[in-house]
Amino acid sequence: EAQVTQNPRYLITVTGKKLTVTCSQNMNHEYMSWYRQDPGLGLRQIYYSMNVEVTDKGDVPEGYKVSRKEKRNFPLILESPSPNQTSLYFCASSEIQGRNTEAFFGQGTRLTVV
Amino acid sequence: GENVEQHPSTLSVQEGDSAVIKCTYSDSASNYFPWYKQELGKRPQLIIDIRSNVGEKKDQRIAVTLNKTAKHFSLHITETQPEDSAVYFCAASIGGATNKLIFGTGTLLAVQP
Repeated sequence: EAQVTQNPRYLITVTGKKLTVTCSQNMNHEYMSWYRQDPGLGLRQIYYSMNVEVTDKGDVPEGYKVSRKEKRNFPLILESPSPNQTSLYFCASSEIQGRNTEAFFGQGTRLTVV
Repeated sequence: GENVEQHPSTLSVQEGDSAVIKCTYSDSASNYFPWYKQELGKRPQLIIDIRSNVGEKKDQRIAVTLNKTAKHFSLHITETQPEDSAVYFCAASIGGATNKLIFGTGTLLAVQP
């Protein structure tokens, strides 16, 4: 089954404690991205990657890091989480640029930073 | 920067009525306009999309229209049903050759039985 899998689904952590949210897709998609969803603000892109070892900032990259060492995985790293990073996070993948095809979303990770 | 504006933020209709959600975009190079539906507690899922070379696309009770001159596009849902209740997001591609999407802020549609 074609899917994007995120882990964990729920996470409560304390300010400053490094965490990683994993994302994996099995559709051989080149393009992967991370979004955060906040009430009234919609989905805002954090980082995206067009292929292995190619990553770039989205609209709200501050406080986040990503890596793309393998095509299927695109982890989101919060080196020193702060309460304003409390949000619902989605990973998404799609086929390569130029074809503007459907973005497939993971099931979401609800992060609370206290 | 580029942006997408979406209205209304909430919409309540009676079952069987039609619902219309409107979006405007700023990037003249945008050429792909998807609509996503997000049910409560679920992930966003694509319901319909339109590319810049067509003005309208229909899929059963759902239709999308695009006016490139005015830079706006709309989602039309006819004969609404309670299962249509969800948050709907419009999006526009940024630039002519990337998958980068800018999303609207969402519309919460409530269909009253």
